[in-house]
Amino acid sequence: GQSLEQPSEVTAVEGAIVQINCTYQTSGFYGLSWYQQHDGGAPTFLSYNGLDGLEETGRFSSFLSRSDSYGYLLLQELQMKDSASYFCAVRPNQAGTALIFGKGTTLSVSS
Amino acid sequence: DTAVSQTPKYLVTQMGNDKSIKCEQNLGHDTMYWYKQDSKKFLKIMFSYNNKELIINETVPNRFSPKSPDKAHLNLHINSLELGDSAVYFCASSQGPSYGYTFGSGTRLTVV
Repeated sequence: GQSLEQPSEVTAVEGAIVQINCTYQTSGFYGLSWYQQHDGGAPTFLSYNGLDGLEETGRFSSFLSRSDSYGYLLLQELQMKDSASYFCAVRPNQAGTALIFGKGTTLSVSS
Repeated sequence: DTAVSQTPKYLVTQMGNDKSIKCEQNLGHDTMYWYKQDSKKFLKIMFSYNNKELIINETVPNRFSPKSPDKAHLNLHINSLELGDSAVYFCASSQGPSYGYTFGSGTRLTVV
C-alpha cells in the first residue's frame, strides 16, 4: 500500500522556525511535494523535491532524502498568516498516477 | 484571470438527487484531476484525465461519473447522492509530473 506520515499538529510563535516532517512508503517515487491550505481555501503548491537535497523558496525550504524515504518542510520567520494545514504529497513512479497526499499537519502560529 | 474555476462553490441537496460540478482551467494543462477532501481534511484522488482521456479511476462508486468534453474541462456528475458523499470536491490541473497542481477553490457538497 501507499502511506505518508506527518505530524497532525504543530504550534509555534511568530518569528520562530518550524520543521514539518514527512515519511513515506509508496510503490514507487517520483518526487515529494508540499502544499499549503488555509481554512476554507484550496491547497496551493509550495515546493517540489525530485532529487535529494534542499530547495529554498523565500522563507520556506524543503528537503528530501530518498534513501530514508523522508522529507521535511522548514518554515522560517513564522508569521500569523502561516497558520494553515501543510500536506506532503508523493507521486508514485508509475505512468498515469496522481499525487498521494499525507493527512496534513495543522500549524498554529501565535503572537 | 481565474486559473482553475469550479462551480458551484456550495451545493446543498437531498439524498437520492443527481448533481453535477463543473471545472474549467485556462492554464493550457493537459492533465486534470478530481480530489475529494473529507471532514478530516484527507485529500483522496478520484479521477484523472489526460488530454480528455481517463487515466485514473480510483475505487469510487460508479454513481460518480467524470466527463471531459475537451482538455480544458472536467466535470463530475454524481447520481443518487448519499449522506457519505458530503465533502469538499476539488478540481486540479497540472502541466506534468514535476510541476505542482493548481487547485480550484472547491465545491462544498452537503447531502441532507
